[in-house]
Amino acid sequence: DAEITQSPRHKITETGRQVTLACHQTWNHNNMFWYRQDLGHGLRLIHYSYGVQDTNKGEVSDGYSVSRSNTEDLPLTLESAASSQTSVYFCASSDGTGRAYEQYFGPGTRLTVT
Amino acid sequence: SQQGEEDPQALSIQEGENATMNCSYKTSINNLQWYRQNSGRGLVHLILIRSNEREKHSGRLRVTLDTSKKSSSLLITASRAADTASYFCATDARLGAQKLVFGQGTRLTINP
Repeated sequence: DAEITQSPRHKITETGRQVTLACHQTWNHNNMFWYRQDLGHGLRLIHYSYGVQDTNKGEVSDGYSVSRSNTEDLPLTLESAASSQTSVYFCASSDGTGRAYEQYFGPGTRLTVT
Repeated sequence: SQQGEEDPQALSIQEGENATMNCSYKTSINNLQWYRQNSGRGLVHLILIRSNEREKHSGRLRVTLDTSKKSSSLLITASRAADTASYFCATDARLGAQKLVFGQGTRLTINP
């Protein structure tokens, strides 16, 4: 069955370190998204991609970057981790063709920056 | 900025009762979606309603959309303990953009 996976599921890192969170989907979806979820803020969009070599900034993109070198993967990099980036991160994908807008979510990565 | 805002923030009912959650949004939309999130898990898509639709059903779920009031409601009938979760509305505000803006969610607890 097609799925979307994230790794690691839990990560503890120190302030100032570079961290990369992986997202891999086997749906063959064009669109991929990264969100962070914090109490009181719901889900906020960090970056998104509509296809290979395409990346776009979302609502809270400062301090984060993504790259899309193939259809299946959209890794999220925190260039220099800050305590404010402690959060739960979700990756999602959706079919970019037709009118299929629903997004499929991964299980999340809980990141703690100490 | 949050497009959708759910109401209430938390809801606790007895098993078998109906649960109603509301969502309000600020700008014109192309479609509105509802998602469920069980504790510690990712979101799961429940139902999508397009801007030219007023009501949609899926099993025990009923969604309404009132574009004049910029609001939607999600009704879960005959609730079960397994319905305990957080429910989020999400709006797709721009044709072709396919990116969603999520509300802060309603935490639903079904008591046995």
